[in-house]
Amino acid sequence: DTGVSQNPRHKITKRGQNVTFRCDPISEHNRLYWYRQTLGQGPEFLTYFQNEAQLEKSRLLSDRFSAERPKGSFSTLEIQRTEQGDSAMYLCASSLDRAFEQFFGPGTRLTVL
Amino acid sequence: AQKVTQAQTEISVVEKEDVTLDCVYETRDTTYYLFWYKQPPSGELVFLIRRNSFDEQNEISGRYSWNFQKSTSSFNFTITASQVVDSAVYFCALNLGNTDKLIFGTGTRLQVFP
Repeated sequence: DTGVSQNPRHKITKRGQNVTFRCDPISEHNRLYWYRQTLGQGPEFLTYFQNEAQLEKSRLLSDRFSAERPKGSFSTLEIQRTEQGDSAMYLCASSLDRAFEQFFGPGTRLTVL
Repeated sequence: AQKVTQAQTEISVVEKEDVTLDCVYETRDTTYYLFWYKQPPSGELVFLIRRNSFDEQNEISGRYSWNFQKSTSSFNFTITASQVVDSAVYFCALNLGNTDKLIFGTGTRLQVFP
């Protein structure tokens, strides 16, 4: 069984550009999560999906951020008009059910110049 | 408020020493879950353990052991006979019964020297 995969692994962009990240969860997992991690901090929750439904969004998720999981399988996280403060590691995780362990992908490191 | 505190920012030990990583959590919920994750230099978070609030039994897995005490809201992690490969950042996390998100502490960086 393959784990959670994320693409790209690294993204460098200029301020004001749009970026999109992809996450492929473990195949039988119906829950998918996005977190953001900055240097020296623990991951911070952004949003999560149960199948294709987005059930919770953090206040951290400004209107420049949008996430989708169109067929309940892979998910995309888009950041519009990127700012330098968006520079971080974006982590995706999936789980079988609520309160079960979440398995994390390798992350996408975003650098906004 | 729900919160996880890992007061130890960084710990350095010499190989074969035992080391305990502290985790204190805050919640008013009676149903919750606690987790430990390891983040090695490669960066990928690795799940170590999950414990629910109704199970206070300590757990041992090889060189790893966990001490859950509701009376002090702590869920501490001990590595016995540490090895260089244990060098990583360790995160404690809290999940409440009515939500899916994990609330992480700030992590403890463990360095094990040969």
